[in-house]
Amino acid sequence: GNSVTQMEGPVTLSEEAFLTINCTYTATGYPSLFWYVQYPGEGLQLLLKATKADDKGSNKGFEATYRKETTSFHLEKGSVQVSDSAVYFCALRHGYSTLTFGKGTMLLVSP
Amino acid sequence: EAQVTQNPRYLITVTGKKLTVTCSQNMNHEYMSWYRQDPGLGLRQIYYSMNVEVTDKGDVPEGYKVSRKEKRNFPLILESPSPNQTSLYFCASSRGTGLGGGEQFFGPGTRLTVL
Repeated sequence: GNSVTQMEGPVTLSEEAFLTINCTYTATGYPSLFWYVQYPGEGLQLLLKATKADDKGSNKGFEATYRKETTSFHLEKGSVQVSDSAVYFCALRHGYSTLTFGKGTMLLVSP
Repeated sequence: EAQVTQNPRYLITVTGKKLTVTCSQNMNHEYMSWYRQDPGLGLRQIYYSMNVEVTDKGDVPEGYKVSRKEKRNFPLILESPSPNQTSLYFCASSRGTGLGGGEQFFGPGTRLTVL
């Protein structure tokens, strides 16, 4: 079946540090890949997505590239801010609309 | 404003007392879904619906029921809640456009505690 594996958190960084959150997936065929962000006390918001191999999704300084050869979709940001502190979920969609989520990675950014 | 609303936001109840969590979306989306979020487990899908009167089980459907009588509403029903259903619940909706289809929009969540 489909599955998503994310690095465990929390990831603790100082402001302006470089961020990488690893995500790998298992799926047949060609899933679409997503990163969602959950700020404290809120629901999930779509951060970025990629729908085919070698696509790069980007938003708010975050980027992730769909790598089919390594079945990965790592999230990166060059310079994090305190306001980026949140839980980040990698997800895939295969077929109609059902999403399969990773377990989430908490990011804590200190000033 | 396009949104998914859930009610109540917080609920404390006792074992066996039937409850309903409502979910409503104003985006005319075909697809709606319920998830539960538990520490260390991420989000797991409970039920989903591809359109009115079309529902199907997700990964963890036991102990839950849903209905989809109108396009905008997708209530989650716990007929006899148990403590292991204590969790944070999210409703989501999207356009049902198949592969590469629409973004899922999430509600704000309902925190349920079953004593």
